Amino acid sequence: QKEVEQNSGPLSVPEGAIASLNCTYSDRVSQSFFWYRQYSGKSPELIMSIYSNGDKEDGRFTAQLNKASQYVSLLIRDSQPSDSATYLCAVNTGNQFYFGTGTSLTVIP
Amino acid sequence: SAVISQKPSRDICQRGTSLTIQCQVDSQVTMMFWYRQQPGQSLTLIATANQGSEATYESGFVIDKFPISRPNLTFSTLTVSNMSPEDSSIYLCSVVRVSDYGYTFGSGTRLTVV
Repeated sequence: QKEVEQNSGPLSVPEGAIASLNCTYSDRVSQSFFWYRQYSGKSPELIMSIYSNGDKEDGRFTAQLNKASQYVSLLIRDSQPSDSATYLCAVNTGNQFYFGTGTSLTVIP
Repeated sequence: SAVISQKPSRDICQRGTSLTIQCQVDSQVTMMFWYRQQPGQSLTLIATANQGSEATYESGFVIDKFPISRPNLTFSTLTVSNMSPEDSSIYLCSVVRVSDYGYTFGSGTRLTVV
């Protein structure tokens, strides 16, 4: 079992819709959780971090964490074509950082 | 958060040769991390570089193939030695952000071995 699992996609949503990206992790002692955006040919860029159960909102982005279910999600509201990228979920267990394989998102104008 | 300058941004190399990738951070950091991202795959940690000590390599990566230097708290290099086409990948350096313990990445080096 991989430490962090994501659906690879591709996920396509129309412009203005909500994009929902999901991630599960295996290590129950995981302490912090991150979402990165990676445009093609570019390095990953941190867009959200979350540490406690519940929702965390930042502009059009909302991260949701459920430690009991070992589940992290990222919602992107009012999706824009510029949101088209691969989104990587990352988990810090305190000893190690684990990255998912990423979900490719395409926002269709 | 820290700003990382990484170079070269890309290179095409002949098999059997070596390439050294450099990362310069605009602030002092204890640990720097070197990752590889092969096409269509996620990030794989190669090694952790600490100033003043040998780098710590992950399973599957060895010092002879990926020697690392860390001469001070703002700089590190990764060398990809005796390259083969299987080494074609994006190589990234990163540091931990003090603000939220996430990673900041350098701009990456896209390596193609022919």
